[in-house]
Amino acid sequence: DAKTTQPTSMDCAEGRAANLPCNHSTISGNEYVYWYRQIHSQGPQYIIHGLKNNETNEMASLIITEDRKSSTLILPHATLRDTAVYYCIVNTDKLIFGTGTRLQVFP
Amino acid sequence: NAGVTQNPKFQVLKTGQSMTLQCAQDMNHNSMYWYRQDPGMGLRLIYYSASEGTTDKGEVPNGYNVSRLNKREFSLRLESAAPSQTSVYFCASSRQGSVYGYTFGSGTRLTVV
Repeated sequence: DAKTTQPTSMDCAEGRAANLPCNHSTISGNEYVYWYRQIHSQGPQYIIHGLKNNETNEMASLIITEDRKSSTLILPHATLRDTAVYYCIVNTDKLIFGTGTRLQVFP
Repeated sequence: NAGVTQNPKFQVLKTGQSMTLQCAQDMNHNSMYWYRQDPGMGLRLIYYSASEGTTDKGEVPNGYNVSRLNKREFSLRLESAAPSQTSVYFCASSRQGSVYGYTFGSGTRLTVV
């Protein structure tokens, strides 16, 4: 019972911003939005998380809509090394993965 | 500071054989997890241990057993391997109650023939 919906795949030119959307219309008030990524069969890597305010760290920015029903992960200057599967996860206690978005960054 | 270490990295089993996948973490995390990932799919939670001395079933526990040996180590056992268990197995750990701070191992690639 996936709580999030993401596009299957996206492309982005190197150096441009990559904007990855996620819908989570059934999110509860105390549930956070988490983003992880998995680079070519490696173990997933934490990127960022947020509750209702926008968040930024050295890897990415997370924009959450006011009604919290959707969010966008932004990689401001995508590089080839950002090619990966990106998972948007909503949960309170355990990581439950969906199928994610396969982001391909091209030269 | 190795993070999460999994052994072995690769394994081929015959149907019906048993084996134990080992996982250890050195981050003093309370919670540990086992996931499997089939080709082209997302990770699915097999079992987890919220704290030392406790284990709970995840999404796909059938055919597996786990042991939380101590705070550092969490093993996954296949008693009678089946081809459907061919997968990549990932172990992860986190501070108890922390969903953002998961650290994953590099995985064990298991093939059952």
